[in-house]
Amino acid sequence: DSGVTQTPKHLITATGQRVTLRCSPRSGDLSVYWYQQSLDQGLQFLIQYYNGEERAKGNILERFSAQQFPDLHSELNLSSLELGDSALYFCASSLSVASYEQYFGPGTRLTVT
Amino acid sequence: GIQVEQSPPDLILQEGANSTLRCNFSDSVNNLQWFHQNPWGQLINLFYIPSGTKQNGRLSATTVATERYSLLYISSSQTTDSGVYFCAVYTGTASKLTFGTGTRLQVTL
Repeated sequence: DSGVTQTPKHLITATGQRVTLRCSPRSGDLSVYWYQQSLDQGLQFLIQYYNGEERAKGNILERFSAQQFPDLHSELNLSSLELGDSALYFCASSLSVASYEQYFGPGTRLTVT
Repeated sequence: GIQVEQSPPDLILQEGANSTLRCNFSDSVNNLQWFHQNPWGQLINLFYIPSGTKQNGRLSATTVATERYSLLYISSSQTTDSGVYFCAVYTGTASKLTFGTGTRLQVTL
């Protein structure tokens, strides 16, 4: 158990819908990262937050957004869902913003039908 | 951006065999992590290894940053070692991890 929690574990929804994925980092970690794992793209970095502020952006679509709240949990919002958004979404956390070890949550498996 | 290549892409071993997985990266990195993704999809941290050698039970890892590669050794493999092994690197000042292509390992009885 990495100490990072993610809910829900599984999500099945229809095209065009909007969903919210939730992540709680390890106790004491200030940085939260979101990654997407799909069959064709592999594991890709989406976005990073540190202590409530956005720090880095990767290959995140405009239909996707995220935020980190004062209690440090984070939410990833996915809207206008398409079939191609079906993937495993991971949250990770680390102590700070430099090259600290990242710990991954169990992931949320999203299926868009 | 940086390229991270892993070899071999697939590996089938009999229980008890040893193996070496390789990770090559195309540019300087600040740090490197090895993960095991089990059949349930969970990513498990194995090593956080910017340079040198670390050991944890039957697993060990060596990173030679100046030559841009890292190796993961699995000894006396067990069926529970099956899954996909990823290396991932930190580059520049960004904290994001860039993942390799993975090595899919199957350990049979």
